[in-house]
Amino acid sequence: KNQVEQSPQSLIILEGKNCTLQCNYTVSPFSNLRWYKQDTGRGPVSLTIMTFSENTKSNGRYTATLDADTKQSSLHITASQLSDSASYICVVRQTGANNLFFGTGTRLTVIP
Amino acid sequence: EAGVTQFPSHSVIEKGQTVTLRCDPISGHDNLYWYRRVMGKEIKFLLHFVKESKQDESGMPNNRFLAERTGGTYSTLKVQPAELEDSGVYFCASSQDFSGGSLAKNIQYFGAGTRLSVL
Repeated sequence: KNQVEQSPQSLIILEGKNCTLQCNYTVSPFSNLRWYKQDTGRGPVSLTIMTFSENTKSNGRYTATLDADTKQSSLHITASQLSDSASYICVVRQTGANNLFFGTGTRLTVIP
Repeated sequence: EAGVTQFPSHSVIEKGQTVTLRCDPISGHDNLYWYRRVMGKEIKFLLHFVKESKQDESGMPNNRFLAERTGGTYSTLKVQPAELEDSGVYFCASSQDFSGGSLAKNIQYFGAGTRLSVL
């Protein structure tokens, strides 16, 4: 069964601290993996998209890693800001399929 | 550039009624997708349009759901008759390409969603 699991479900950190969110997937065959940020009341916004051959990709203070062998990805947020408070969703696309498989997300709260 | 817009933002209806959700994709995006998030669950795919044609509707839950994209521009998703389990947030997304080409053109841009509450 194609699944995407994320951990932790929720996380609270102090402003300025770093954090790492995890994503494990069983989607096969694998095409690419995306991390989305979803603010409350908004639609998901793409942060990164990584293919099989990419191990790491950065977008500002966000750095995503991908290990296609173990089917794991992580999203590292550096020097967190209050505006980073959101849900972070890991999404995997299956080769040859039209749909995307979504994780349930990690709810991050950054407090001052 | 305008993003993906969805209307209404929130709809409250009674069981058995009909509701129509609308999505306006980013101009020039041939690919349009509908997704749904039921309370506490992950976002799930419903269907995918390429221009006015349904490329994949494997995620549509049953025949009470009807999606159209006449003219290949905006799309509507009609639920008739609505049931309690249809409550959730319905997202629309669009992209330039679906596969091939640069990854950037495959990025799906999401609307803010329509929150549907069936009472």
